Amino acid sequence: NAGVTQTPKFQVLKTGQSMTLQCAQDMNHNSMYWYRQDPGMGLRLIYYSASEGTTDKGEVPNGYNVSRLNKREFSLRLESAAPSQTSVYFCASSDPLHEQYFGPGTRLTVT
Amino acid sequence: ILNVEQSPQSLHVQEGDSTNFTCSFPSSNFYALHWYRWETAKSPEALFVMTLNGDEKKKGRISATLNTKEGYSYLYIKGSQPEDSATYLCASFYNQGGKLIFGQGTELSVKP
Repeated sequence: NAGVTQTPKFQVLKTGQSMTLQCAQDMNHNSMYWYRQDPGMGLRLIYYSASEGTTDKGEVPNGYNVSRLNKREFSLRLESAAPSQTSVYFCASSDPLHEQYFGPGTRLTVT
Repeated sequence: ILNVEQSPQSLHVQEGDSTNFTCSFPSSNFYALHWYRWETAKSPEALFVMTLNGDEKKKGRISATLNTKEGYSYLYIKGSQPEDSATYLCASFYNQGGKLIFGQGTELSVKP
């Protein structure tokens, strides 16, 4: 039972490059989330998916797109990376209204 | 815009001290309050989920209370230990929207 897994763990991109962060959960949760962590700003929600087939914007969606591929997988895409997107990205999953389980994080640097 | 506030931002205590933090949240359409513990270089882990006014939850030396009418929750740590050093996040869930609103966290440092 791996819980929530994220790949990659680390990534360095040049400005303008694109990449997709992958997230998978094996707990049969309906809801999945993408957050970013920045110093002094806690966790900020980028996008979430309340159930398979739905996605909604969070607090900071600009510059990102998401895909809920199936119940297990929720990916985050940066189409044209910018230095302001340097951050640590966390994926999480939960049953609605219950505690969230977080993945180990992806540390992204955009130069 | 829903805003969850935590205080203090940071706290430095000695081993053995007891401490508490505050989480304030809008009480309208409130459904649940979550507390998470977040150690450096790790992922946040859930401590408590509370929904009812007057709820009290306890896990070892850590406990939490909830007041949904006035919109606040307290987290208490009795006899702090160095391993309690972490950032403590609270987050509130509302009937509309389907997402948690996180506060900025309280960073606790416990010195031996």
